[in-house]
Amino acid sequence: NAGVTQTPKFQVLKTGQSMTLQCAQDMNHEYMSWYRQDPGMGLRLIHYSVGAGITDQGEVPNGYNVSRSTTEDFPLRLLSAAPSQTSVYFCASKPGQGLAGELFFGEGSRLTVL
Amino acid sequence: SQQGEEDPQALSIQEGENATMNCSYKTSINNLQWYRQNSGRGLVHLILIRSNEREKHSGRLRVTLDTSKKSSSLLITASRAADTASYFCVFGGSYIPTFGRGTSLIVHP
Repeated sequence: NAGVTQTPKFQVLKTGQSMTLQCAQDMNHEYMSWYRQDPGMGLRLIHYSVGAGITDQGEVPNGYNVSRSTTEDFPLRLLSAAPSQTSVYFCASKPGQGLAGELFFGEGSRLTVL
Repeated sequence: SQQGEEDPQALSIQEGENATMNCSYKTSINNLQWYRQNSGRGLVHLILIRSNEREKHSGRLRVTLDTSKKSSSLLITASRAADTASYFCVFGGSYIPTFGRGTSLIVHP
């Protein structure tokens, strides 16, 4: 049982490039989510999903796309990277669809956009 | 959405002392959770307190919740060097959780 796995751990992009951050969980959790963490800030929700085929926007969705074709995977796509997207990204999942209950986090993906 | 406010932003104590950090929020909540983040790592869940609870214990952790004041506190008793980390409160009444800015705790051996 690996929990929540994020890849890559580190990535450097040039402005305008695209990339996908991968997130996979093996706990059969319905709820999955992506956050970004900037220095001195708490985590801010980018997008979330309450089940396969269902996604919705969080607090800071602009510049990011997601999809949820399976229960296990929830990739985050940056279509045209900007320096403002330099951040540490975390994926988290939890059983059920509501907010009650513990979030399980991946180890993070550190992205630098030059 | 408004982030929660945590204070202090930073706390430095000696091993064996107690550490108290506070979280305030502005919306109604169903529950409030506390998480720990070690440097460069993901967040780890510590404890959840429901809106109808006033106090909860887990090992050396004690959490209180005052819904009338919209505030919560996390007390770590008999701190250890391994408790050095950032601590975040997380709350929300919907699918969009709100994270506090965190308290950075340093425990000196």
